[in-house]
Amino acid sequence: DSGVTQTPKHLITATGQRVTLRCSPRSGDLSVYWYQQSLDQGLQFLIQYYNGEERAKGNILERFSAQQFPDLHSELNLSSLELGDSALYFCASSVGGGDTIYFGEGSWLTVV
Amino acid sequence: AQSVTQLDSQVPVFEEAPVELRCNYSSSVSVYLFWYVQYPNQGLQLLLKYLSGSTLVESINGFEAEFNKSQTSFHLRKPSVHISDTAEYFCAVSRKTNTGNQFYFGTGTSLTVIP
Repeated sequence: DSGVTQTPKHLITATGQRVTLRCSPRSGDLSVYWYQQSLDQGLQFLIQYYNGEERAKGNILERFSAQQFPDLHSELNLSSLELGDSALYFCASSVGGGDTIYFGEGSWLTVV
Repeated sequence: AQSVTQLDSQVPVFEEAPVELRCNYSSSVSVYLFWYVQYPNQGLQLLLKYLSGSTLVESINGFEAEFNKSQTSFHLRKPSVHISDTAEYFCAVSRKTNTGNQFYFGTGTSLTVIP
């Protein structure tokens, strides 16, 4: 158990819909990272937050957004969902700038 | 930008045989190096990491990796694999930036241990 908690574990939704994925980082970790893992694109970095502020952006679509709240949990919002958004979404956390990141179990999103 | 290359997408190996999973990275500055393992239907777990000091690092389950600065490599090895080692292995590099550490992952190597 890494200490990073993600909910929901599985989610099935229709195209065009909007979903929110939630992440609670390890106790004491200030940085949260979001990754998308799909069969055809591998592990893709989406976005990073540090203590509530956006720190880095990767290959995140404009339809996707994220935020980190004062209690340090983070949410990833995915809207206008398409079939190609079906993937495993990981949250990871680290201490401060973080020399090591720790991953949650992931949220499986299936868009039908 | 940083890049991480895992040279083999799939590696089949017989049980109790040795294995090497290759990883090369591009960088001219100091980096931290990692191997993560992903078992079926699970998240990524840290296997081992190199931050500084001895260039040879070991995990608790018999894997080791050696940081080779001149060849910019961080290959993962195990002298004798078990069925339970079947998993996806990801090499990663972390580099400090003025906005915090950035992590870059390779595309993964699928290790299949054959009985």
